[in-house]
Amino acid sequence: DGGITQSPKYLFRKEGQNVTLSCEQNLNHDAMYWYRQDPGQGLRLIYYSQIVNDFQKGDIAEGYSVSREKKESFPLTVTSAQKNPTAFYLCASSIPGSGEQYFGPGTRLTVT
Amino acid sequence: QKEVEQDPGPLSVPEGAIVSLNCTYSNSAFQYFMWYRQYSRKGPELLMYTYSSGNKEDGRFTAQVDKSSKYISLFIRDSQPSDSATYLCAHNSGNTPLVFGKGTRLSVIA
Repeated sequence: DGGITQSPKYLFRKEGQNVTLSCEQNLNHDAMYWYRQDPGQGLRLIYYSQIVNDFQKGDIAEGYSVSREKKESFPLTVTSAQKNPTAFYLCASSIPGSGEQYFGPGTRLTVT
Repeated sequence: QKEVEQDPGPLSVPEGAIVSLNCTYSNSAFQYFMWYRQYSRKGPELLMYTYSSGNKEDGRFTAQVDKSSKYISLFIRDSQPSDSATYLCAHNSGNTPLVFGKGTRLSVIA
């Protein structure tokens, strides 16, 4: 069964702690993306990666970091430098050369 | 500029109504257009995908793209309560990040 998995579904952290969100896909897609969604706002791009060992900053990369060591995996670390980390985080992947992107189920992060 | 403008709603319609959702965009270099449906607390689901002007139909859903006006629409016929969700329009130029509208929240009342 092909798809994108994100874990965990809900995550709670104390302020000042770094936290890593997992994203795995078995669709054989080259490109992967991380978005953040806040209430009343659309999806905002954090980071994306077109190929293994390469990634680019999106519109709101400050306070986040990523790695892309394997084609299947694109973990996102929310660092303590991110001023307002509480949000719904979505991972996506895309078919090379087409516009279609497919999303995972999301991780809801709450930082108190 | 790469923005996509979308009326946020909320939009409330009776069951069986025809729903029209609309977006305008500014970057004519973007060729691929998508509509996503997002239920509360879930990831967006790709509903319709097109890369040309004109209409594309899939069951009760029709996506319409007018590149001359930079206008994209999604029509839902015979709307059902299960269609209640947030609908997001998006576009890009291929293997690049999507640019999203902010979404329109739709409620279909039985």
